[in-house]
Amino acid sequence: QKEVEQNSGPLSVPEGAIASLNCTYSDRGSQSFFWYRQYSGKSPELIMSIYSNGDKEDGRFTAQLNKASQYVSLLIRDSQPSDSATYLCAVNKRGYQKVTFGTGTKLQVIP
Amino acid sequence: DTEVTQTPKHLVMGMTNKKSLKCEQHMGHRAMYWYKQKAKKPPELMFVYSYEKLSINESVPSRFSPECPNSSLLNLHLHALQPEDSALYLCASSQDGYTEAFFGQGTRLTVV
Repeated sequence: QKEVEQNSGPLSVPEGAIASLNCTYSDRGSQSFFWYRQYSGKSPELIMSIYSNGDKEDGRFTAQLNKASQYVSLLIRDSQPSDSATYLCAVNKRGYQKVTFGTGTKLQVIP
Repeated sequence: DTEVTQTPKHLVMGMTNKKSLKCEQHMGHRAMYWYKQKAKKPPELMFVYSYEKLSINESVPSRFSPECPNSSLLNLHLHALQPEDSALYLCASSQDGYTEAFFGQGTRLTVV
């Protein structure tokens, strides 16, 4: 089982819709969770970080964490073509300075 | 300001060359990282420095040699690389190694 799993996509949504990106992780000792956006040929850009169960909202983005189910998600409301990118889920284990990335989900927002 | 600066942006080197990648941050972060990323793959951790000491080496070949001269600077010295080492090399920093990391724009390395 991979440490961090994401559906590679592509996930296609129409402009203005909600995009839902999902990530599961295997280590129950994980304590920090991050979503990064990466445009082709560019470096990853931090979108959200979440550390406790529940929802965290920032503008059009909402991160959701459920530690019991070992599941973290990212919702993008009012999706725009500029949101088209690969979204990387990253997880950090408690007491360990290593972030493990999922393989990423490619999102395509169709105008 | 969440800026991590990497130089150079692009580098082409021969297999017998020696070159260095540089990374700088002025956010007061105490953890700095080197990642390697191949096309269509996620970033792969190479090294972690915490408080200027090497804390993680992910079994990286010795032709890659990291250095942390001070809390703001991180170097990656390259020697006798192979064509398969061609990739995007990313530097990142975080406050303490457990919170969010911020990436530089990367160095696109091509080994010929």
